[in-house]
Formats: sequence, structure tokens, C-alpha cells
Amino acid sequence: DVKVTQSSRYLVKRTGEKVFLECVQDMDHENMFWYRQDPGLGLRLIYFSYDVKMKEKGDIPEGYSVSREKKERFSLILESASTNQTSMYLCASSSLAGGPDTQYFGPGTRLTVL
Amino acid sequence: DQQVKQNSPSLSVQEGRISILNCDYTNSMFDYFLWYKKYPAEGPTFLISISSIKDKNEDGRFTVFLNKSAKHLSLHIVPSQPGDSAVYFCAASAPSNTGKLIFGQGTTLQVKP
Repeated sequence: DVKVTQSSRYLVKRTGEKVFLECVQDMDHENMFWYRQDPGLGLRLIYFSYDVKMKEKGDIPEGYSVSREKKERFSLILESASTNQTSMYLCASSSLAGGPDTQYFGPGTRLTVL
Repeated sequence: DQQVKQNSPSLSVQEGRISILNCDYTNSMFDYFLWYKKYPAEGPTFLISISSIKDKNEDGRFTVFLNKSAKHLSLHIVPSQPGDSAVYFCAASAPSNTGKLIFGQGTTLQVKP
């Protein structure tokens, strides 16, 4: 079974703090993704990565950055957290091999910015 | 521009009856569609998918129907069970998306005992 883990289930931070969200997958997947989920808005893609050290902006990259130094690890960074970044953050991974693009998700991190 | 839309935010059905969740899309280049199920405080889990070369795919109690001409897909759950109560997301991908999925807003299904 594919396993995607996220470093924290719940996180509370103050406005202006730098926040790191870590994601690790154990299936040697090439693709990794960061989404946020907000009520009524579904899952919105923040950033994704096709390979180590490669990253591409998704639909809502503003206020976020990412890092992928190793294939299994994809980090989301909030440089200066703001209250409008309070959300559920979901990491996912998928493989380029074998056809269609089924993504496998981690359990999510509920981030609250005060 | 919402390319994948789930116009019903919520649905309530009685246990044992059929649940039908709908999804519309606008991009004719989409060639693969997926449904995910999400419980509160958990990540989405893959449920069922369908390629654009098919119009139906079935897996146990779950069937997905695709109507390409209408750019519409639906998920049927028969019979519905209380454990099916969750948020359901449809998603789509295109050959040019290289792994990206476009998600709908989600529909919250409540199955009442």
C-alpha cells in the first residue's frame, strides 16, 4: 500500500511566523503535490513537483514556497503565515508509470493561524 | 474558471437507497476521471475511476457513468450505507496535465439509518 505521511495533524501558529509542513511518501513516486481544502472550494493546488529539485506553481501559489531535495520528501513553506492561510493542507503523490494519474493522499494537516 | 463542478453541496439519502452524485466538466481534453471519498480529519481516498473510452465502470456498490457529449459524470452508490457518509470529490485529468488533477468543490453525502 502507498503510504503518504504528513509531519503534523494539527498545527497552531501566530501571524508572521514561518511554517514548515513536511510530506513523505514511501512508494518512489515521481510526482508530489500540495493542496489546500476549504469548505465550498474543494481541493486547490498550491504547488507540485515532478522530480527532485523541480517545482511548478499550481493555482494558488501566492504566500507559499516548496522544497524537494529528496524524491520521497516534499515540503510546503509559509514564509510569513497569515490568518487567511488557516486551512486543511493535503499532500499527495502519484507515479508517472503505469498510466492514469491516481493520486494518493496523506492524512492532512489542519493549520490554524492566529 | 471552474473546469470541474459539483453543483450540489450536499445530499441526504436513506440507508439502502441509491445515492447519485453528479459532476460536470468544461474541458473536452479531459480523458480520465476519478472519484475520491473524504472523511473528516482524514485525507481523500481513491474510490473509482473511468477512462474517456468507457461510459461505465463498476466496482461493487459503486458505479461511475460518463456522458462525454454532455460532459457529465455521475457516481451511483447502491445500496447506500451509513459508512458512506463523507465528502465526495470528482477529479479530472488531461494528457497534457502530466499528473495534475482538477478537483470539483465536493458533495457531502449523508446516509441516514
